[in-house]
Amino acid sequence: KQEVTQIPAALSVPEGENLVLNCSFTDSAIYNLQWFRQDPGKGLTSLLLIQSSQREQTSGRLNASLDKSSGRSTLYIAASQPGDSATYLCAVGDSGGGADGLTFGKGTHLIIQP
Amino acid sequence: GAGVSQSPSNKVTEKGKDVELRCDPISGHTALYWYRQRLGQGLEFLIYFQGNSAPDKSGLPSDRFSAERTGESVSTLTIQRTQQEDSAVYLCASSLALTNTEAFFGQGTRLTVV
Repeated sequence: KQEVTQIPAALSVPEGENLVLNCSFTDSAIYNLQWFRQDPGKGLTSLLLIQSSQREQTSGRLNASLDKSSGRSTLYIAASQPGDSATYLCAVGDSGGGADGLTFGKGTHLIIQP
Repeated sequence: GAGVSQSPSNKVTEKGKDVELRCDPISGHTALYWYRQRLGQGLEFLIYFQGNSAPDKSGLPSDRFSAERTGESVSTLTIQRTQQEDSAVYLCASSLALTNTEAFFGQGTRLTVV
């Protein structure tokens, strides 16, 4: 059964810093990996989707990488801002064709200090 | 609609009552997913629908849970004889297809069983 782990569980940094969030998964037979952010009391907002054949995706100040063979992904946030404060979730889609949906990590709770 | 819509946004119910949660996916999305997020926990996959195929119900926590979808539109998640452990945020997501496509989430329904 796929397991997704996110490190660190929580992170607090001053505004302006670059930071890296880590995600690892146990079964490398995935068809994609998706990063989300979740704000308190809200649903999930999709940030980046990486297909299994891709190495990275970029959107604005966000860059996500994927190393499928080692079961790792990183989310890089450049020049962090207080508005980036949220919980960041990593989710993998398994090659079983979606029968198990996306498997989520427990998230990294990020606080950007003004 | 512009995004995935869920109703109600909040529901407080007495133990033993039945509840029905509704999800309107993004128009044209053939895949629809239900997840549960308990306080302090990661997202737990419940069930998915793909087109007109019969759903895989093996992820539902108990036989008190059931879900239906009308064609490629609205889905309802019904919980019968609610228990306090059913208290959670129930999230719905949709995507263009079952695999290799980005999942978009609704704002969720916060269910509290008292």
